[in-house]
Amino acid sequence: EDQVTQSPEALRLQEGESSSLNCSYTVSGLRGLFWYRQDPGKGPEFLFTLYSAGEEKEKERLKATLTKKESFLHITAPKPEDSATYLCAVQPGGKLIFGQGTTLQVKP
Amino acid sequence: GAVVSQHPSWVICKSGTSVKIECRSLDFQATTMFWYRQFPKQSLMLMATSNEGSKATYEQGVEKDKFLINHASLTLSTLTVTSAHPEDSSFYICSAGLEGKTDTQYFGPGTRLTVL
Repeated sequence: EDQVTQSPEALRLQEGESSSLNCSYTVSGLRGLFWYRQDPGKGPEFLFTLYSAGEEKEKERLKATLTKKESFLHITAPKPEDSATYLCAVQPGGKLIFGQGTTLQVKP
Repeated sequence: GAVVSQHPSWVICKSGTSVKIECRSLDFQATTMFWYRQFPKQSLMLMATSNEGSKATYEQGVEKDKFLINHASLTLSTLTVTSAHPEDSSFYICSAGLEGKTDTQYFGPGTRLTVL
């Protein structure tokens, strides 16, 4: 069964304190792994797509990496505006399967 | 680019009434659109896949007669919640993929439905 597990469920950081979010997955055939950011009461905002093990992508303070079993979202020197829920999803076929998300709070 | 809108952003209705939610791709054409539901503190659950000009494909456990989906054009899909009940209260979100490329989905802002 295709499955996505994110950890931790919640993460509190001080501004400037770097950390990583984990997304572990089991999927029959991976077409892509996606990271989204979701603010309360809003739809998910696309961040990255990763297609193969070893691939890395960066955007501002965020960097996503991919192995055959998991993906990490590294946050370097976060700011309060990075506070949100980060969702990971896999695409074994045409549809997305989401993890439960990691809610990040960055305190000034 | 790749902007998806939803209307309305929130709606309150009485039990037994029907509610229509629109999802539009503003700057691109979308052969395929997806409808999700999200309950508080939970992740997104796919309800159905909507293909332009054909019948929607519903996920297991989703009642197709209750959640009517119409994808009449390459930029518009609608979800109608028929005979809504309080347990249908949720956050409904649509997404769309670029025509011919469904790998990356772009999401709308969501519609908060409250059924009294």
